[in-house]
Amino acid sequence: GAGVSQSPSNKVTEKGKDVELRCDPISGHTALYWYRQRLGQGLEFLIYFQGNSAPDKSGLPSDRFSAERTGESVSTLTIQRTQQEDSAVYLCASSSARFSGEQYFGPGTRLTVT
Amino acid sequence: AQSVTQPDIHITVSEGASLELRCNYSYGATPYLFWYVQSPGQGLQLLLKYFSGDTLVQGIKGFEAEFKRSQSSFNLRKPSVHWSDAAEYFCAVGANSGGYQKVTFGIGTKLQVIP
Repeated sequence: GAGVSQSPSNKVTEKGKDVELRCDPISGHTALYWYRQRLGQGLEFLIYFQGNSAPDKSGLPSDRFSAERTGESVSTLTIQRTQQEDSAVYLCASSSARFSGEQYFGPGTRLTVT
Repeated sequence: AQSVTQPDIHITVSEGASLELRCNYSYGATPYLFWYVQSPGQGLQLLLKYFSGDTLVQGIKGFEAEFKRSQSSFNLRKPSVHWSDAAEYFCAVGANSGGYQKVTFGIGTKLQVIP
C-alpha cells in the first residue's frame, strides 16, 4: 500500500514569508508525528497527533510554528515569518498503534529560507 | 526524560567487513529501542526493534542488535557489510508519555563503505 507522502519535496522561501508543509499518513494510522532534521543533526520532535486527542505540542520551537490535523487524515505544518534557522528537512511519520513507537516516515520536505 | 547517545558520528568500513554501531540510552524503566536507517534521498526505515523478551533481535537487511541492560546499550551489528549499506543510522528510545509512546532519536551515525 501507499506509504507516508509529503509535499512539497523542496521549498525555497524568502525570510519572513509563511510556508505550509503537508503530510499524508498511511491510511488507518491514528498517530502522526512531525520532526525537524537540521543538517548534521538528529531528529528533533515537533508535535504529535493521536486521533481526536489533544496534540502534544511540546516540541514546537516557537509560536511561529503550528500544525493541524483533522481526524486521522492529512496534517499541515505551518511556519510563519520564516527565519534562516528554520532551514531544515521536515519529516512526517505515522504509526498504527499508540504505544508501538514503530513509525513509518515520509521522504521529508527540504525547506530553505534565503 | 529519555535520551540516546550515538558516540560515533562517522564510521568507515570496507565492504565485506563486520560492522558494529554503538548506541547508549538513558531511561528509568525498560525501554523500547529501535534502529532506523536513512538512505540518501529517502525517508527513515525501521531496521529492528526491541520491546521485551530475547535480547538479541533480528532485523531486515541482515542486521541484528543486542539489548544489554547492564550497559544501557543497544548496539547494531552486521557480519558482512555491503556497499548498499552506506547510509545514516539512527538509534531511538521510546517511552510512554502522556498516553502515547514518545520516541527520542540519537544524532545518527553516518556509515561509509569502501571497496
